[in-house]
Amino acid sequence: GAGVSQSPRYKVAKRGQDVALRCDPISGHVSLFWYQQALGQGPEFLTYFQNEAQLDKSGLPSDRFFAERPEGSVSTLKIQRTQQEDSAVYLCASSLALTGGSYEQYFGPGTRLTVT
Amino acid sequence: EDKVVQSPLSLVVHEGDTVTLNCSYEVTNFRSLLWYKQEKKAPTFLFMLTSSGIEKKSGRLSSILDKKELFSILNITATQTGDSAIYLCAVGRGGGADGLTFGKGTHLIIQP
Repeated sequence: GAGVSQSPRYKVAKRGQDVALRCDPISGHVSLFWYQQALGQGPEFLTYFQNEAQLDKSGLPSDRFFAERPEGSVSTLKIQRTQQEDSAVYLCASSLALTGGSYEQYFGPGTRLTVT
Repeated sequence: EDKVVQSPLSLVVHEGDTVTLNCSYEVTNFRSLLWYKQEKKAPTFLFMLTSSGIEKKSGRLSSILDKKELFSILNITATQTGDSAIYLCAVGRGGGADGLTFGKGTHLIIQP
């Protein structure tokens, strides 16, 4: 496809369940980013991949959050033992650049996670 | 700690008005400032600014960066109801820290 795609678009999980969120970046984009956007806030950085290498995971809020991009394309963000405070929109973005700060990042539509 | 502050947080104007949205920042290793428009979906890219004083323009939208005073403005002239959205400002850093730092956004409502 032409843009970044994410699935599922909506996910409802019971507290304590594990969830997996998928991101398909724009073809050829080497950099991939995950952000968390709470209601009424701007997106907050979670983690960053350059190809398959996870270069920065400083934004992951706890060890329940795990991300991977094993073949340098599709990425999965996994949240274990979900808590209510994990409810948010999870945005994925991709960029052509090796260092993402120099190039625009293109965002997917997000996955809205609701933990009940 | 890196900080991006947008003002106003919300703004209601009438169709045809001109609006100016503000973004100030404090970051280490500044590399670029980006503006995005967010409706009920993905933030869509508007502008990326890296140099001071050079205006970027796209139709009725324009933006400029002041790296000495550490701020940027986004102007929208002859506003239309389709301009209603949240406008996000974000800053990109160098030095390997490549995630963007976002402000909270300005919620712009254009009334017919």
